[in-house]
Amino acid sequence: EVQLVESGGGLVQPGGSLRLSCAASGFTFSSYWMHWVRQAPGKGLVWVSRISSDGSSTSYADSVKGRFTISRDNAKNTLYLQMTSLRAEDTAVYYCARVAGAYVNNYFDYWGQGTLVTVSS
Amino acid sequence: DIVMTQSPDSLAVSLGERATINCKSSQSVLYSSNNKNFLGWYQQKPGQPPKLLIYWASTRESGVPDRFSGSGSGTDFTLTISSLQAEDVAVYYCQQYYSTPYSFGQGTKLEIK
Repeated sequence: EVQLVESGGGLVQPGGSLRLSCAASGFTFSSYWMHWVRQAPGKGLVWVSRISSDGSSTSYADSVKGRFTISRDNAKNTLYLQMTSLRAEDTAVYYCARVAGAYVNNYFDYWGQGTLVTVSS
Repeated sequence: DIVMTQSPDSLAVSLGERATINCKSSQSVLYSSNNKNFLGWYQQKPGQPPKLLIYWASTRESGVPDRFSGSGSGTDFTLTISSLQAEDVAVYYCQQYYSTPYSFGQGTKLEIK
């Protein structure tokens, strides 16, 4: 069974940093592109970042470029999102999502349960 | 960047009746080389992550009831629930995966009338 389990969320002050993790199981993690998507309280889904299966290619939304870094450790079956210079508008539930198949552009077939990040003083 | 716009923002439908949600992209998400529309539909219930319903605009994900169907091509797409059930109350999102930044519609909240 495919499972994606996020962790690392919490309360952080503006300007602070946080690292989110997404532990994957039930599939060959190293074969799949992965994404982060966030959802502010009561709002819609917003794409954040993606990483290739081998970690060599990454992309970011303009709103997080230069502040967030996506990475992965295929030996540990874990996806990461390092977040720095956090702002109040980064407050959201952060989901990791798997891309279906070994393709660059494809739909998301599995999602984690999400981890809540709250940026507030 | 491709902007996805859904209509309506909210919808109330009687049990057993048809529900229709529209999604429009600011540019075509049809990839000419394989004739596929890079468009998906997701269902999100309160407190849960999104769940994939439809991909390639009209292909139903395994396990999704056949009352859910997707149609459209290019820039205009529709999600139809043929006979609304109580468990279909949720927010529905379209998403383009044609190019980054991948973008979602703003969501359509579906309720029972």
